[in-house]
Amino acid sequence: NAGVTQTPKFQVLKTGQSMTLQCAQDMNHNSMYWYRQDPGMGLRLIYYSASEGTTDKGEVPNGYNVSRLNKREFSLRLESAAPSQTSVYFCASNPGFSGNTIYFGEGSWLTVV
Amino acid sequence: QQQVKQSPQSLIVQKGGISIINCAYENTAFDYFPWYQQFPGKGPALLIAIRPDVSEKKEGRFTISFNKSAKQFSLHIMDSQPGDSATYFCAASRGGSYIPTFGRGTSLIVHP
Repeated sequence: NAGVTQTPKFQVLKTGQSMTLQCAQDMNHNSMYWYRQDPGMGLRLIYYSASEGTTDKGEVPNGYNVSRLNKREFSLRLESAAPSQTSVYFCASNPGFSGNTIYFGEGSWLTVV
Repeated sequence: QQQVKQSPQSLIVQKGGISIINCAYENTAFDYFPWYQQFPGKGPALLIAIRPDVSEKKEGRFTISFNKSAKQFSLHIMDSQPGDSATYFCAASRGGSYIPTFGRGTSLIVHP
């Protein structure tokens, strides 16, 4: 049982380049999330998808787009990467009901130079 | 506006000591309060959680204390071990919401 799988684990981008972070979960969860983690800032929500076919902005959506491809997959795209987007990105999922556990992937380390 | 305030930002404890991390919330509609543990290079994982109908929940060496009137909850790690060294996040969510609000995290180091 893989849980939440993110790819790639590490990536270096040049300013202005684009890339997509991929995420898939095998737990049949309804809700999926993308967070970024920066020192001293905790976990900040970028985008979330409450269920297949829906996406909504979180706390820090600027510079990002998402696609909920199907129930399993939720991708995060950086259209024109900026150094401020250097961060660790976590995909997560939740069965879809308040109070249930958030399951996180192992993270994607992104550096924009 | 930070709805869940976590302190301290970092904590150093000797092996065998008690580690205490505190969180305060503002939204009285919150009804689920989990703590997540994150080891270096890994994603956070649920450690323990509490609902406001109880004042304390214990799982092994980990205890959540909850004070509804003060809108505060805390994590106590008894007999702290070097293997407990990690970042700890408190969180809060309310019924009907799929989105927990996280504290900013506490980096715990337990010295041997």
